[in-house]
Amino acid sequence: GAVVSQHPSWVICKSGTSVKIECRSLDFQATTMFWYRQFPKQSLMLMATSNEGSKATYEQGVEKDKFLINHASLTLSTLTVTSAHPEDSSFYICSARGVPYLLNQPQHFGDGTRLSIL
Amino acid sequence: GDSVTQMEGPVTLSEEAFLTINCTYTATGYPSLFWYVQYPGEGLQLLLKATKADDKGSNKGFEATYRKETTSFHLEKGSVQVSDSAVYFCALSDELNTGFQKLVFGTGTRLLVSP
Repeated sequence: GAVVSQHPSWVICKSGTSVKIECRSLDFQATTMFWYRQFPKQSLMLMATSNEGSKATYEQGVEKDKFLINHASLTLSTLTVTSAHPEDSSFYICSARGVPYLLNQPQHFGDGTRLSIL
Repeated sequence: GDSVTQMEGPVTLSEEAFLTINCTYTATGYPSLFWYVQYPGEGLQLLLKATKADDKGSNKGFEATYRKETTSFHLEKGSVQVSDSAVYFCALSDELNTGFQKLVFGTGTRLLVSP
């Protein structure tokens, strides 16, 4: 149980393109989803937290207009990297927490999306 | 703020060797502690967790005990296998104290197991 699917797993695109990454909870309803960025051989950096039906909360230093997050349903959140540039190339990982609400519940992670901007 | 410190890697071991990866934390409240594992090119998988002092989390031969007196949550395995080669992340969640659901991760420790 608690499977999170992320799509696509790998994307290569030209500079200036906008890229959408989907994160789905397959067998549970996720009230909260998280988006992380991971640089090579480094830890995960939380970018934003999204709650279903409300605006995402971005971490300090993360550009809201650059990384658009939508959490329109209890099973789907999307991250759109707008007008992507080579410095946006990274490994993006989503995670989700389910219902019912429990303190300090584990987050369940997707397999990540490797984004390469040429 | 809350933080997690892990030993630097890589940790290089031969198959069947004993593994310890150190993790210490700083938190103002009473956090839950987690170990996650990341295999190459994949996301993170929850390996084990502990929610209060003296709890022992265990899974797949790995175990870690929540030590409040030493603020530690060291990961151990008695006999590693080649398939255990991965990056291991220690993390905490201090939701009750902070009101936030975010995980705070350590920097990760790469484990390399040779046959």
